[in-house]
Amino acid sequence: AQKVTQAQTEISVVEKEDVTLDCVYETRDTTYYLFWYKQPPSGELVFLIRRNSFDEQNEISGRYSWNFQKSTSSFNFTITASQVVDSAVYFCALSEAGIGDDKIIFGKGTRLHILP
Amino acid sequence: DSGVTQTPKHLITATGQRVTLRCSPRSGDLSVYWYQQSLDQGLQFLIQYYNGEERAKGNILERFSAQQFPDLHSELNLSSLELGDSALYFCASSVFGGTDTGELFFGEGSRLTVL
Repeated sequence: AQKVTQAQTEISVVEKEDVTLDCVYETRDTTYYLFWYKQPPSGELVFLIRRNSFDEQNEISGRYSWNFQKSTSSFNFTITASQVVDSAVYFCALSEAGIGDDKIIFGKGTRLHILP
Repeated sequence: DSGVTQTPKHLITATGQRVTLRCSPRSGDLSVYWYQQSLDQGLQFLIQYYNGEERAKGNILERFSAQQFPDLHSELNLSSLELGDSALYFCASSVFGGTDTGELFFGEGSRLTVL
């Protein structure tokens, strides 16, 4: 069964610090997708990234970067030079791509506070 | 604006009652997902429909049911409501539904309060 664990329930850092959000997943499928979503205080869910299991290249998008390591079943998310606007709940999610079931399971989220 | 529309935005009702939440997916999206977000439970997957057919089921209670209509909008029916059903219910849509799981576009959610 698929499972996503975000062990960090809540993190607080001072603005401009770098912060890494951890995500560990479990799956028996060889083909799967990993996602990160952001939920700011306004409540909407914003897509950040999708990565398939065959693409282990790390990705950088501005101040955001993602480190996918199959060997440790982790898909960590780093914010560099954090800003107050980064304060939100961040969710990691997993979908197994086997035929007949492509539900997307979310972790419990990490609440990130960026202090001015 | 994600393009996914959920109604109503807020709903207050009493225990034992029944409510219907409605979702209109983005134009062209065939898949609709329903999630429940409680304070301490994160996002719980309830059910997914693809082009009118149920495709995947999560921990959806028997008191809850859903369907996707020919025009692709979806409804989530919650009956015999209990206090613990109070939550934010999200609908999401995706163009995919097969083996290539795509990005989910979320609606703004329907906040249900059961008194």
